[in-house]
Amino acid sequence: QSALTQPASVSGSPGQSITISCTGTSSDVGYYNLVSWYQQHPGKAPKLMIYDVNKRPSGISSRFSGSKSGNTASLTISGLQAEDEADYYCCSFVGSSTSIYVFGTGSKVTVL
Amino acid sequence: QVQLVQSGAEVKKPGASVKISCKTSGYTFTGYYIQWVRQAPGQGLEWMGRINPSGGGTNYAQNFQGRVTMTRDTSINTAYMDLNSLRSDDTAVYYCTRSDDRSGLNWFDPWGQGTLVTVSS
Repeated sequence: QSALTQPASVSGSPGQSITISCTGTSSDVGYYNLVSWYQQHPGKAPKLMIYDVNKRPSGISSRFSGSKSGNTASLTISGLQAEDEADYYCCSFVGSSTSIYVFGTGSKVTVL
Repeated sequence: QVQLVQSGAEVKKPGASVKISCKTSGYTFTGYYIQWVRQAPGQGLEWMGRINPSGGGTNYAQNFQGRVTMTRDTSINTAYMDLNSLRSDDTAVYYCTRSDDRSGLNWFDPWGQGTLVTVSS
């Protein structure tokens, strides 16, 4: 099971919006609406930001939103803030014999 | 509140085994799967496998088949991940996390603090 493809880095100025893509296949991202997104600050454990493609857990800012089109899921951060600078990973349910889940390659978000 | 607390850092020699614990609290242990994810230095997240604490059933990623064993002790609400035949490229932070796969709630929340395993001769 190959990792989902994300851009290595995405940057934006404070207040701007950025979008991180997560490209898989018709067997994972394209098949299931079970994509989640995680934020990870240096030296910290990942934190759930989005689940089921576009749902936000309680306590997560509405500046974070998710979507999906075909085999590509996306995470959009609007009104970019300095605290959003972190690594972001997508994850999809796969449910195959070789893997139940697969993560994306990760994207470093830099706030300019 | 829901908490997953992992055991401390380990240093192992190549060929050895390591066993990491994940002690849970704040919820019904048998009601949620425990997933194991690792992250090599400077690298991304890698799903290793999962265990259903209710019956002990496991699923492992193909990359770890034959080298990893996930178990649990329901009397102390703790899950374990055992990795053998360690190599230098197994040096990583290992995380446990929780999901409700039986209910189709396929996301990971919360996460343990991570356990650094260093494999070095």
